[in-house]
Amino acid sequence: DAGVIQSPRHEVTEMGQEVTLRCKPISGHDYLFWYRQTMMRGLELLIYFNNNVPIDDSGMPEDRFSAKMPNASFSTLKIQPSEPRDSAVYFCASSLRGGTKSNEQFFGPGTRLTVL
Amino acid sequence: RKEVEQDPGPFNVPEGATVAFNCTYSNSASQSFFWYRQDCRKEPKLLMSVYSSGNEDGRFTAQLNRASQYISLLIRDSKLSDSATYLCVVNLRAAGNKLTFGGGTRVLVKP
Repeated sequence: DAGVIQSPRHEVTEMGQEVTLRCKPISGHDYLFWYRQTMMRGLELLIYFNNNVPIDDSGMPEDRFSAKMPNASFSTLKIQPSEPRDSAVYFCASSLRGGTKSNEQFFGPGTRLTVL
Repeated sequence: RKEVEQDPGPFNVPEGATVAFNCTYSNSASQSFFWYRQDCRKEPKLLMSVYSSGNEDGRFTAQLNRASQYISLLIRDSKLSDSATYLCVVNLRAAGNKLTFGGGTRVLVKP
């Protein structure tokens, strides 16, 4: 099993540019989560999907952030325009409701974003 | 007040010693509890679930105190490889698969 796949692993961009982060969840998982982690704020949930439908986007910081899940095997998180304060590690995670370890989330390796 | 609070540490632990630390949660409706481990510059991974009666997994023991709203993690016979950040995680009954993470407790095991 390949686990959760994220790309790119590292992204350096300039303020004002559009950034698109990608995620492929574990096959068969019906939940997908996007998190942001910084030293100051820790791990924050941005948005999560169930069966490709956004369920809770209350953690999305502002309109510059958007997320989509067009199918069960792909999701994107877009930041437009990017700002230096968006610099963080962005994790994607997936889970299967009713699994043997109920609610266990499997994280991808993360995308380390630096906005100059 | 944060929903899940942890002492950030670091806890400096001699190899072979025992270390324990707690996490408090604010919402009494919390129903599921977990400890995740995160190595430096890596993703979080599930370490163990925390059950009401307490549970062990090898050298790791987790306890839940619902009355005082805290969970604990104890590591016996610490190994150098136990050096990591331990994240306390809570799931609310009404939140489906949504998890709330604490800020983490950093543990450094030294020879």
